[in-house]
Amino acid sequence: QSALTQPASVSGSPGQSITISCTESSSDVGSYNLVSWYQQHPGKAPKLMIFEVNNRPSGVSNRFSGSKSGNTASLTISGLQTEDEADYYCCSYAGNTTVLFGGGTKLTVL
Amino acid sequence: QVQLVESGGGVVQPGRSLRLSCTASAFNFRSFGMHWVRQAPGKGLEWVAVIWYDGSKKYYADSVKGRFTISRDNSKNTLFLEMNSLRAEDTAVYFCARESTVLTTFDYWGQGTLVTVSS
Repeated sequence: QSALTQPASVSGSPGQSITISCTESSSDVGSYNLVSWYQQHPGKAPKLMIFEVNNRPSGVSNRFSGSKSGNTASLTISGLQTEDEADYYCCSYAGNTTVLFGGGTKLTVL
Repeated sequence: QVQLVESGGGVVQPGRSLRLSCTASAFNFRSFGMHWVRQAPGKGLEWVAVIWYDGSKKYYADSVKGRFTISRDNSKNTLFLEMNSLRAEDTAVYFCARESTVLTTFDYWGQGTLVTVSS
């Protein structure tokens, strides 16, 4: 069965840059450029940060960027700020009319 | 501004049923596909189901197929999730989410409603 694998946690200091990876186990999943990224603060609803691999919705800071190489998508946050501390989830269309979420990555801003 | 408000969560015994609602406002509800996504306590997001903008197509995660039914009433701007034969592992916060113009991209989310399956 297809899966999206993310690191459980990443950390960085204010002002630094970090990257969160999202690896697709199935080549079928990887063939779609329908990767999105969501930020979720504790007790809150997820918020769309990146869609179609590298597009930012209106209102999202340009410190957030996305990319993809092969079966691995990445979210990069530059100029880390304390308010970036949250859980981040990647998401992708998995074919066969199903949707996959990654397991989530907890970002700690030290 | 776009708003999605879920309701209907609560405590239910294993094997029983529950119906969730999601009321939408400030956008043309009948033009958008809608999804349910859930999150077990302390766990990650799990996609549950999708319904096409006109209700013509519905798809489910394997974990809920045959037990859950997604539906919508476009005249009332409301999305539903009928959950039958509930199990302890269905305990989660259930979010409704709007699909943007990009397939499987969720641009607006509700605040979620908690479903607890316990005897």
